Amino acid sequence: NAGVTQTPKFRVLKTGQSMTLLCAQDMNHEYMYWYRQDPGMGLRLIHYSVGEGTTAKGEVPDGYNVSRLKKQNFLLGLESAAPSQTSVYFCASSYGGQVQPQHFGDGTRLSIL
Amino acid sequence: SQKIEQNSEALNIQEGKTATLTCNYTNYSPAYLQWYRQDPGRGPVFLLLIRENEKEKRKERLKVTFDTTLKQSLFHITASQPADSATYLCALLFSGGYNKLIFGAGTRLAVHP
Repeated sequence: NAGVTQTPKFRVLKTGQSMTLLCAQDMNHEYMYWYRQDPGMGLRLIHYSVGEGTTAKGEVPDGYNVSRLKKQNFLLGLESAAPSQTSVYFCASSYGGQVQPQHFGDGTRLSIL
Repeated sequence: SQKIEQNSEALNIQEGKTATLTCNYTNYSPAYLQWYRQDPGRGPVFLLLIRENEKEKRKERLKVTFDTTLKQSLFHITASQPADSATYLCALLFSGGYNKLIFGAGTRLAVHP
């Protein structure tokens, strides 16, 4: 049982570079989420998707874009990385909405220099 | 704005004792409250969910209480073990308009043999 898989696990970028974080789930969940986790702060929702082909903004969407072309995949893009985007990024999925337990990946540790 | 407070200081207890973690919130009461466990370098793992009309929920050695008057949830681990050492996150879901799950920053628990 793979659950939620995130790639890459670590990445270092220079300011202004772009990259895409990949998230894949094998539980046939409809809902998928991208969070960031910073020291001393709770997980903050960046974007989420309620089904294939849909995306919506969360609490901190600026500087990020997402796509959900396939039900099992949810991609997070940074168009022009900034040092403020240094963080640990978590992808999660759930069967229903946020009332349902969320299943998390093990995160991508991203440093922007 | 809604605030969630979890003790930022680590809780150190002796093996076999009961660990009690606190989650306080301000303003509106959530419809649901979830607790997650997070190990270093890993994503959060769902433990328990309690609804606003439930006062208590149990699962094996875990117990969660929810007091909407005090605006507080308590998370108990009885007969604690060193393997229970981790960071525990509470997450509150507010309904009305749209569902939004807000995470606390977590409290680290260290159980000593």
